[in-house]
Amino acid sequence: DIQMTQSPSFLSASVGDRVTINCKASQNINKYLDWYQQKHGEAPKLLIYNTNNLQTGIPSRFSGSGSGTDYTLTISSLQPEDVATYFCLQHSSRPLTFGSGTKLEIK
Amino acid sequence: QVQLQQSGAELVKPGTSVKLSCKASGYTFTSNHMNWIKQTTGQGLEWIGIINPGSGGTSYNVKFKGKATLTVDKSSSTAFMQLSSLTPEDSAVYYCARGGYGSPYVMDAWGQGASVTVSS
Repeated sequence: DIQMTQSPSFLSASVGDRVTINCKASQNINKYLDWYQQKHGEAPKLLIYNTNNLQTGIPSRFSGSGSGTDYTLTISSLQPEDVATYFCLQHSSRPLTFGSGTKLEIK
Repeated sequence: QVQLQQSGAELVKPGTSVKLSCKASGYTFTSNHMNWIKQTTGQGLEWIGIINPGSGGTSYNVKFKGKATLTVDKSSSTAFMQLSSLTPEDSAVYYCARGGYGSPYVMDAWGQGASVTVSS
């Protein structure tokens, strides 16, 4: 199975800050990497698919980048409604595997 | 709009089975694969498997083979997951999630989740 190492596990930042979350795969996943946001008590929601494609309706302050084994989710200007846990997911090969999550809070 | 409505919370005894449902609306049910995901505090998110509602074809995470069985009822646009021989380690929130954007695995819509508690 492909292991996804996500960092940091916890992040505290101020409104307006630029925030980055990273995922490293144990092998090349060919950009088959998605990012999900999960607010407390809710189901995960797709933000970005295949590394850098924004899901319909997601604000443009969210972006993704990466290749090979290393991928990044960036929030360009943190907003209060971005408080959530963020997960990466690789779907390059089965079984699909998730990162362990990054809990983001407002400082 | 696309909606996935899951069945309610379950409290079940060890050794028994439970069948969870996921009713789809707002799109053609047979046009998109359906994934199932397990979430626990300890293990995080785990992909259980996927079903093609059109063909009934399935693929499972080896970890869940023998534990989970995925089926669909096309007449009611509902996907099901049966979990068997339940143990406390099966206590979790289970989600169904639709594959979208031309991929079975890009999960663009999720159910609200169904909590399963296994306890005697």
